[in-house]
Amino acid sequence: RKEVEQDPGPFNVPEGATVAFNCTYSNSASQSFFWYRQDCRKEPKLLMSVYSSGNEDGRFTAQLNRASQYISLLIRDSKLSDSATYLCVVLRAGGGNKLTFGTGTQLKVEL
Amino acid sequence: EPEVTQTPSHQVTQMGQEVILRCVPISNHLYFYWYRQILGQKVEFLVSFYNNEISEKSEIFDDQFSVERPDGSNFTLKIRSTKLEDSAMYFCASSELGTLYEQYFGPGTRLTVT
Repeated sequence: RKEVEQDPGPFNVPEGATVAFNCTYSNSASQSFFWYRQDCRKEPKLLMSVYSSGNEDGRFTAQLNRASQYISLLIRDSKLSDSATYLCVVLRAGGGNKLTFGTGTQLKVEL
Repeated sequence: EPEVTQTPSHQVTQMGQEVILRCVPISNHLYFYWYRQILGQKVEFLVSFYNNEISEKSEIFDDQFSVERPDGSNFTLKIRSTKLEDSAMYFCASSELGTLYEQYFGPGTRLTVT
């Protein structure tokens, strides 16, 4: 089983739509969880950390379910500029703060 | 806003040659990392560095790789004898002390081994 699993997409949505991405992770000792976005041939940029109680940042809402080892990201009122690959990322407890990345879910927002 | 910087942006080298990739982490950060991304694949962890020593390294980070913090600002990744399969985007990242250890990435160095 992959350490971090995501649906690769692509998700093609119209502007203004709401879109949700899901992610599962296999290591129950994982400590911290993040969503990064990556534009083509660019670096991953931290979008938001995911807290146990769930958290919201503007149009973005992240949820964590530790029992199911499941993380989600909801984007409301999607914009053309949201088009990117969204990476689910997990940090394992202990050791050297190694981040484990999913393969990413591609989002294309269209007019 | 402080950011991680990397040089060069693109490096072309011949198989068997040594390369040094350079990074300047965010100034108040204490943890430093190297990751790589082969074209079309996911981002992979190489090594983490704290307090002037390696904290953790992956299986990819074999004897051909080394890291160094030669002064108070730079963090380098050296590949001693490059192979074709080392061709990838190499990202440096840094984080400060804290419970979440949020890591911020530099723009990357694209390494092409011919």
